[in-house]
Amino acid sequence: QSVLTQPPSASGTPGQRVTISCSGSSSNIGSNYVYWYQQLPGTAPKLLIYRNNQRPSGVPDRFSGSKSGTSASLAISGLRSEDETDYYCATWDDSLSGPVFGGGTKLTVL
Amino acid sequence: EVQLVESGGGLVKPGGSLRLSCAASGFTFSSYSMNWVRQAPGKGLEWVSSISSGSSYIYYADSVKGRFTISRDNAKNSLLLQMNSLRAEDTAVYFCARADTAMVTSVFWEKWGQGTLVTVSS
Repeated sequence: QSVLTQPPSASGTPGQRVTISCSGSSSNIGSNYVYWYQQLPGTAPKLLIYRNNQRPSGVPDRFSGSKSGTSASLAISGLRSEDETDYYCATWDDSLSGPVFGGGTKLTVL
Repeated sequence: EVQLVESGGGLVKPGGSLRLSCAASGFTFSSYSMNWVRQAPGKGLEWVSSISSGSSYIYYADSVKGRFTISRDNAKNSLLLQMNSLRAEDTAVYFCARADTAMVTSVFWEKWGQGTLVTVSS
């Protein structure tokens, strides 16, 4: 069981807006920044969102992040077929003294 | 160009040992904390271990504590993971990842290696 809880799957049609949730606790999301990673099959994860809502250079503004209390969300607007892959949230956990990941969400573009 | 290249993976019997390396180039290695993350076949990402820039702070996941040892050689721009008493559940692709600061508590991991596969099986 992952410390951070994500839905195992999400879906949307091209052009639609989808959100992926990430639920944690006061020792992790509640007190630390949240990061989102995108992982294409057979490749290393790619940093998508850092410090809750910041995008690294090169990440399209279709991707956005937010955090409220002990939960965070990744939103993808203008859904495209190439967005169909796995997404993970991550943060530091003060109680565990280490980073923790969500279980991952597989996004399907219908 | 920043590059992280893992090596040392392979097939090992349960109870055996393996040493993974991550060769870094294109940046000042000694200025950044480094991390190992693994992914079992068909599963999600799992953090394994982190080490601060000067090796003062080291953290391990409970699943590997007492069996794995992370270290780094800043003179050789190299990150290491010594894995002992390996179990079937350690089978995974192991990635090294660079944080954005010297602080080990940062999860801003923008640079990753391509991963090396470790298979623990008799």
